[in-house]
Amino acid sequence: DVKVTQSSRYLVKRTGEKVFLECVQDMDHENMFWYRQDPGLGLRLIYFSYDVKMKEKGDIPEGYSVSREKKERFSLILESASTNQTSMYLCASSLFGIRQETQYFGPGTRLLVL
Amino acid sequence: QQQVKQSPQSLIVQKGGISIINCAYENTAFDYFPWYQQFPGKGPALLIAIRPDVSEKKEGRFTISFNKSAKQFSLHIMDSQPGDSATYFCAASSYNTDKLIFGTGTRLQVFP
Repeated sequence: DVKVTQSSRYLVKRTGEKVFLECVQDMDHENMFWYRQDPGLGLRLIYFSYDVKMKEKGDIPEGYSVSREKKERFSLILESASTNQTSMYLCASSLFGIRQETQYFGPGTRLLVL
Repeated sequence: QQQVKQSPQSLIVQKGGISIINCAYENTAFDYFPWYQQFPGKGPALLIAIRPDVSEKKEGRFTISFNKSAKQFSLHIMDSQPGDSATYFCAASSYNTDKLIFGTGTRLQVFP
């Protein structure tokens, strides 16, 4: 059974704090993704990684960075949290390939920045 | 820029009715069109997907209709059930990428 886990379901942080969101997948997938989900805006891609230590910017990378030191783990970092980063953050993983494999999502982390 | 436009934003259907959600795209390089279903408190999960070599794909009560010339595709849920109440996202990707472009989502509520 495929599984993507996220370190926290809910997180409250203060403006200016450095925030780490962790994601782990146990499916040996090459691709990993970070999205944010906001009402009326759908899912927007922040960053993705197709291999260890590889990363590519998505549509809204500003204010975020990522780290992928191991294949199964993909971290999203908010260098200095701001109130406009209050959102639901979703991690996903998929096999690498040209056949657009299914993305498997974690349950999400709801982040509130005060 | 919104490359995949989804409508309606919300939908209320009576049990047994047909739910229809529409999506339109602009990028003619898109060649994979999945639909994801998300229940409250859960991450999205793949429901059904289609490639442009067919005009329709059916899996149980769920059907994707695809119109390549109009650059539109839709999800039809036949005999809608309260358990279908969820948020539905259409998405698209092109052949040379594993990235998905998602629509804005449709919140479906099915009442008994």
